[in-house]
Amino acid sequence: AQSVTQLDSHVSVSEGTPVLLRCNYSSSYSPSLFWYVQHPNKGLQLLLKYTSAATLVKGINGFEAEFKKSETSFHLTKPSAHMSDAAEYFCVVRILTGGGNKLTFGTGTQLKVEL
Amino acid sequence: DVKVTQSSRYLVKRTGEKVFLECVQDMDHENMFWYRQDPGLGLRLIYFSYDVKMKEKGDIPEGYSVSREKKERFSLILESASTNQTSMYLCASTPDRDLPWAFFGQGTRLTVV
Repeated sequence: AQSVTQLDSHVSVSEGTPVLLRCNYSSSYSPSLFWYVQHPNKGLQLLLKYTSAATLVKGINGFEAEFKKSETSFHLTKPSAHMSDAAEYFCVVRILTGGGNKLTFGTGTQLKVEL
Repeated sequence: DVKVTQSSRYLVKRTGEKVFLECVQDMDHENMFWYRQDPGLGLRLIYFSYDVKMKEKGDIPEGYSVSREKKERFSLILESASTNQTSMYLCASTPDRDLPWAFFGQGTRLTVV
């Protein structure tokens, strides 16, 4: 079955240092993968998407993710964290069904950014 | 901008009540979804729909049903609310099978007492 595993439930970084949020996927075919962000008391926002084009995907707010088939990974990175990046991040895989799409979410990674 | 609108931000209902959560999208999207979000569990898919009157069970459909009579509207029904259905409920839509990224509503915080 197709699924995603977010390896860390909480990540804490200092402002200005790199961010790495890890996601591994399981899929029997070439997957479509996404990262979403949810700021406190706000709705979910699409950060970036991979749909079998370039393996390095750039998103909003300086985030990017690299699809690595050999490692079945889709880790989210940012070179320099900002206080405004503090939020919960979800890795998502798209599963094709007979009728349409099903989006399966990971359990989330809470990112804390400290001064 | 795509807009996904959920009818209520906060609801308080009594155990045993029938509860309706409504979701409307304004961009003619084919696919619509209902999730519930609980701390530490992420978002879990309850039901989704890929066309009018078409629906598929998600990962946790027990205790829920759905209705999609019109393309723009997708309703989640709790047949007999229970306290373990207290949660944040999120509606989402995606344009079609080939454009699978989702747009989310603001969520409905449901408390069952």
